[in-house]
Amino acid sequence: ETGVTQTPRHLVMGMTNKKSLKCEQHLGHNAMYWYKQSAKKPLELMFVYNFKEQTENNSVPSRFSPECPNSSHLFLHLHTLQPEDSALYLCASSQRSGGPTDTQYFGPGTRLTVL
Amino acid sequence: ILNVEQSPQSLHVQEGDSTNFTCSFPSSNFYALHWYRWETAKSPEALFVMTLNGDEKKKGRISATLNTKEGYSYLYIKGSQPEDSATYLCALNQGGKLIFGQGTELSVKP
Repeated sequence: ETGVTQTPRHLVMGMTNKKSLKCEQHLGHNAMYWYKQSAKKPLELMFVYNFKEQTENNSVPSRFSPECPNSSHLFLHLHTLQPEDSALYLCASSQRSGGPTDTQYFGPGTRLTVL
Repeated sequence: ILNVEQSPQSLHVQEGDSTNFTCSFPSSNFYALHWYRWETAKSPEALFVMTLNGDEKKKGRISATLNTKEGYSYLYIKGSQPEDSATYLCALNQGGKLIFGQGTELSVKP
């Protein structure tokens, strides 16, 4: 148990659906992250939020829309996804962003399948 | 494009064997290297953060070394146990962002 929870754990959606992934951290951290892991590829950073402000968008398509209403919660809103967006989406948090030694604590991920 | 390479991609050992694997990274502008352990269907778990050339860190039967001049880190597991079966990830911190390798998948058979 890392103190970072994600819901749902599994999601199947059609290309025309709209869905949201939720992440919550109970660690009192100020930075939150979304990562994507596609099959046989390394974890890839998508977005970074620091004190609720987005500080990094790693050239992510606009069909992925993040939201960070407070330092404890992070959402990833999904709309008109493509089958190639099927992947494991991981959330993480750290005390702050930008610190080289700050450990990121990860949730268990949401396994997304786009039909 | 920054590349973090891990080898081997997968490793199968018997219980009791000691094993090691490698993380290679560009040696310029080094800040920190993180090691994670990721069991299937669970969250990646932080093992070590390494910053200084020559660093050696240990956690139980797992230890890691760092060579920033030549750009590599080794992870060692002494006397592997079935519960060590997991994917081991290294990640280079670059400007506050973690750049992950593909991982080494370790399977320990009883």
